[in-house]
Amino acid sequence: QSVLTQPPSASGTPGQRVTISCSGSNSNIGSKYVFWYQQLPGTAPKLLIYRNSQRPSGVPDRFSGSKSGTSASLAISGLRSEDEADYYCAAWDDSLSGWVFGGGTKLTVL
Amino acid sequence: QVQLVQSGAEMKKPGSSVKVSCKASGGIFSTYAVSWVRQAPGQGLEWMGGIIPASATATYPQKFQGRATITADESTTTAYMELSSLRSEDTAVYYCAIAAGWYDPFIYWGQGTLVTVSS
Repeated sequence: QSVLTQPPSASGTPGQRVTISCSGSNSNIGSKYVFWYQQLPGTAPKLLIYRNSQRPSGVPDRFSGSKSGTSASLAISGLRSEDEADYYCAAWDDSLSGWVFGGGTKLTVL
Repeated sequence: QVQLVQSGAEMKKPGSSVKVSCKASGGIFSTYAVSWVRQAPGQGLEWMGGIIPASATATYPQKFQGRATITADESTTTAYMELSSLRSEDTAVYYCAIAAGWYDPFIYWGQGTLVTVSS
């Protein structure tokens, strides 16, 4: 059982916009930054969004993040086949004194 | 650009221990936060703890306290994660990952080390 809650799956067709939600509590998302990681099949995770909504260099602006209260969202616009991957949200948890992750959302591009 | 290279796959018996290494190159090792994150087959990511090599003090979530030991050797820029009393549920890919500090994102990741626990 993950501390952060994500839907197990999401899907969309090429060109569509998809959002993935991440729900937490006051001890993590409610008081800390949210980060998003993309994991392509058979590879290590890659940082996609940091500090709720910032994109590292090289991440397309099709990816965007937002946070409100104890929830966060990742939006992917102009969906492409190469976006098919698992997406994880993460945050530091003050009560647990450590990093917590969502269970991951498998994105399928139909 | 920091690169992290981990040791190879391991096959272990239940009750034994495993030690995985993570060698860093191309950046400042001592002041980064090196964490270990594992992923069981078909499952999500789980943080096991981490260390800032310059402080030599590791921190662990309650689940892994007493069973995981994370260390770092500044002279070889290598971090280690040892997990004891292995059980089948510990079968997973173990990743090392580096961040600028405890509250910063994991920017660099190792390639992962598969640890299989089976009798």
